[in-house]
Amino acid sequence: KAGVTQTPRYLIKTRGQQVTLSCSPISGHRSVSWYQQTPGQGLQFLFEYFSETQRNKGNFPGRFSGRQFSNSRSEMNVSTLELGDSALYLCASSWGNSPLHFGNGTRLTVT
Amino acid sequence: QQQVKQSPQSLIVQKGGISIINCAYENTAFDYFPWYQQFPGKGPALLIAIRPDVSEKKEGRFTISFNKSAKQFSLHIMDSQPGDSATYFCAASGNYGQNFVFGPGTRLSVLP
Repeated sequence: KAGVTQTPRYLIKTRGQQVTLSCSPISGHRSVSWYQQTPGQGLQFLFEYFSETQRNKGNFPGRFSGRQFSNSRSEMNVSTLELGDSALYLCASSWGNSPLHFGNGTRLTVT
Repeated sequence: QQQVKQSPQSLIVQKGGISIINCAYENTAFDYFPWYQQFPGKGPALLIAIRPDVSEKKEGRFTISFNKSAKQFSLHIMDSQPGDSATYFCAASGNYGQNFVFGPGTRLSVLP
């Protein structure tokens, strides 16, 4: 089985721009979660989608949003980028009570 | 109450030694406790996990010890190898695998 695939691997954006990140979960996994990883804050939960519905949401501003498609693929969008949004964004998929399976992330740099 | 505390922040061990990382939680609703291993440039990968109905789980050189009454769990890496050098995260979740909460991570360096 293919693992969780995240694209692109690297992104450089300018402050004020917006960005869309993509995640393809493991086949059969219906839950997709997004995390922000920074050296100072560790792994911070952004949101989780299940069957195209946002099931849980972390404590991030409304500039961070996401969606899930009928094939379980997910996208997250960050609008009006700030320098502090520079981070590794990780997507993880799971099925039922299974553990999270992470992709290798998208490294976003905001200049 | 949703936090998972993890220590130490960094750890240096000689090859062949035992690496021990400790975690503590507050939320008694947590019922699943995985450990993840992350190498630079990669996403975290599940290493080993335990549920609160057992006090210990061993897989190869990796062992989780779980103390339900103290709300603590720990990862022991026996015969540590330089290839084990990575960042380790403990985590906890409840409600059928939802709402994972991660510890801040421990950077392990195993010296050859």
